[in-house]
Amino acid sequence: DAKTTQPNSMESNEEEPVHLPCNHSTISGTDYIHWYRQLPSQGPEYVIHGLTSNVNNRMASLAIAEDRKSSTLILHRATLRDAAVYYCILRANAGGTSYGKLTFGQGTILTVHP
Amino acid sequence: DSGVTQTPKHLITATGQRVTLRCSPRSGDLSVYWYQQSLDQGLQFLIQYYNGEERAKGNILERFSAQQFPDLHSELNLSSLELGDSALYFCASSRTPRTEAFFGQGTRLTVV
Repeated sequence: DAKTTQPNSMESNEEEPVHLPCNHSTISGTDYIHWYRQLPSQGPEYVIHGLTSNVNNRMASLAIAEDRKSSTLILHRATLRDAAVYYCILRANAGGTSYGKLTFGQGTILTVHP
Repeated sequence: DSGVTQTPKHLITATGQRVTLRCSPRSGDLSVYWYQQSLDQGLQFLIQYYNGEERAKGNILERFSAQQFPDLHSELNLSSLELGDSALYFCASSRTPRTEAFFGQGTRLTVV
């Protein structure tokens, strides 16, 4: 499985933008970049995913480098509710034993200060 | 509410026992995934099913087994339980192996 590297922790102030980086230098051409987050005492929650182009949804934006070896999850205005562990995951989008497999790494612990 | 239902929410059992965890996926979802989360190991992928067939296996112990039934619900069976099996067990489902996955609230297993 292709690996991702994320900072262990990051801090932000409420109502400020947050940029969560992820490196994935061994990404293959068929891997989608997925982001999930896990709030305290809850199951993981889907945030966003993309392949090559930048993506936006109601929760966040995903900026993908041109060479696809890194990506950044952008929370435009952090709230206290965004404090969570954020996981960047490469998900195989083609057949084989890893097709669709979601493997979580250690993630980034995001702390949001009031 | 993700639409994924896991039962029971909590389970306390003794070492050596066997338990079954149940997962009902979201309506229409064909893929089911099982994860184990303990304090020192993070979220560990156990196994994935798609439309009743096993598709991928992670670090699942031989004492553990799972299946997905024709109605698409899934069960994770844990046997010969050890203290170290105490953890949160999450189930997730997705429409296909390509689409976003939705997680249940988990089953907290405590082995005493």
